[in-house]
Amino acid sequence: DADVTQTPRNRITKTGKRIMLECSQTKGHDRMYWYRQDPGLGLRLIYYSFDVKDINKGEISDGYSVSRQAQAKFSLSLESAIPNQTALYFCATSPGQSTGELFFGEGSRLTVL
Amino acid sequence: AQSVTQLGSHVSVSEGALVLLRCNYSSSVPPYLFWYVQYPNQGLQLLLKYTSAATLVKGINGFEAEFKKSETSFHLTKPSAHMSDAAEYFCAVSPSGAGSYQLTFGKGTKLSVIP
Repeated sequence: DADVTQTPRNRITKTGKRIMLECSQTKGHDRMYWYRQDPGLGLRLIYYSFDVKDINKGEISDGYSVSRQAQAKFSLSLESAIPNQTALYFCATSPGQSTGELFFGEGSRLTVL
Repeated sequence: AQSVTQLGSHVSVSEGALVLLRCNYSSSVPPYLFWYVQYPNQGLQLLLKYTSAATLVKGINGFEAEFKKSETSFHLTKPSAHMSDAAEYFCAVSPSGAGSYQLTFGKGTKLSVIP
């Protein structure tokens, strides 16, 4: 089983719908992240969390919210999805004293029609 | 402030040929530098990292990169390409000691290997 698991792996939804992407990890890491990947743009950080009570906005947080339900679970929500949120979303983790290595899930491909 | 520029969004090489993927960085403080690889339908995984020790860094699968401060570069090389190297490669930078939340990724270079 994967150390960082994302669900769903693929989702098609309509404009205005609420959508939640879930991430769970078995690596025991304190830090968790949500990234968005768009072709030709690389990865951009949406939100990150150092622990259950410490959540921070990243580079592109507008239109997104997150919840850290437990050390192992970090979910990303789109309250009212719009077409330009169509992208590949990655959850990642890292240890508390990190030198930059991130451990990624396999991604959730979201299409907003 | 920090940024990464990857030269070439798509690179094609023949099997057995040298692989050279270029990365230049900009950072106002001493940087940590990384190369990540993304195989089709997978997440990214760390290939190698420079964290101010040896300037020539060896990674997995025969890849290596050299930190050149004077050229602000961290190019990725492999002497002989294999078909299995076909993937997208991302260079990333963070301020030294800052941690993963300050990683800035480049836009990626897709490597194709021609049989």
